[in-house]
Amino acid sequence: DIQMTQSPSSLSASIGDRVTITCRAGQGIRNDLGWYQQKPGKAPKRLIYAASNLQSGVPSRFSGSGSGTEFTLTISSLQPEDFATYYCLQHNSYPPSFGQGTKVEIK
Amino acid sequence: EVQLVESGGGLVKPGGSLRLSCAASGFSFSSYSLNWVRQAPGKGLEWLSSISGSSSHIYYADSVKGRFTISRDNAKNSLFLQMNSLRAEDTAVYYCAQDPSYPSDYWGQGTLVTVSS
Repeated sequence: DIQMTQSPSSLSASIGDRVTITCRAGQGIRNDLGWYQQKPGKAPKRLIYAASNLQSGVPSRFSGSGSGTEFTLTISSLQPEDFATYYCLQHNSYPPSFGQGTKVEIK
Repeated sequence: EVQLVESGGGLVKPGGSLRLSCAASGFSFSSYSLNWVRQAPGKGLEWLSSISGSSSHIYYADSVKGRFTISRDNAKNSLFLQMNSLRAEDTAVYYCAQDPSYPSDYWGQGTLVTVSS
């Protein structure tokens, strides 16, 4: 099974800050990775697919990069609606596995 | 408009059974692999099971293998999860979702399963 190590587990940031979240895969997964945003009581919503492709309708301040074992989600200028929990998900091989999550809070 | 709507959650005693359903609309149901994902209260997301469009490929997480069974009825645009031998640690919100290998991303709103005596 492929373990996804996500960091940090939480962070505090201000409106307008640049925020970076990282996921490291236990073995190479090519670009078979997505980034999800989840708000309390809601289903996850994918922001990025195939490591670096912006999901339709998602603001361009979100971007993803990486391939193989190291992946990054960047929010270029944090907005009030971005305070949420973020997860990575690898689907290169079964079982698919999520990172532990990163809770982004207001500083 | 694409919709995935789960139902069938509720309160069940340890050792009991429950069958979740996910009704789909707005897309070519039989063409897509679908998954069940759950989230225990205050915890992260956990993938549980996948089924291909024709039901020819099925996968389970070790945590539910032998207790849960995924199935689908393409004629009725429906996905199912039969859950047997339920445990307290199965308490969670259960989501049906499109397989992440596609560019599109569809999730249901979730259904809460509570396992308690």
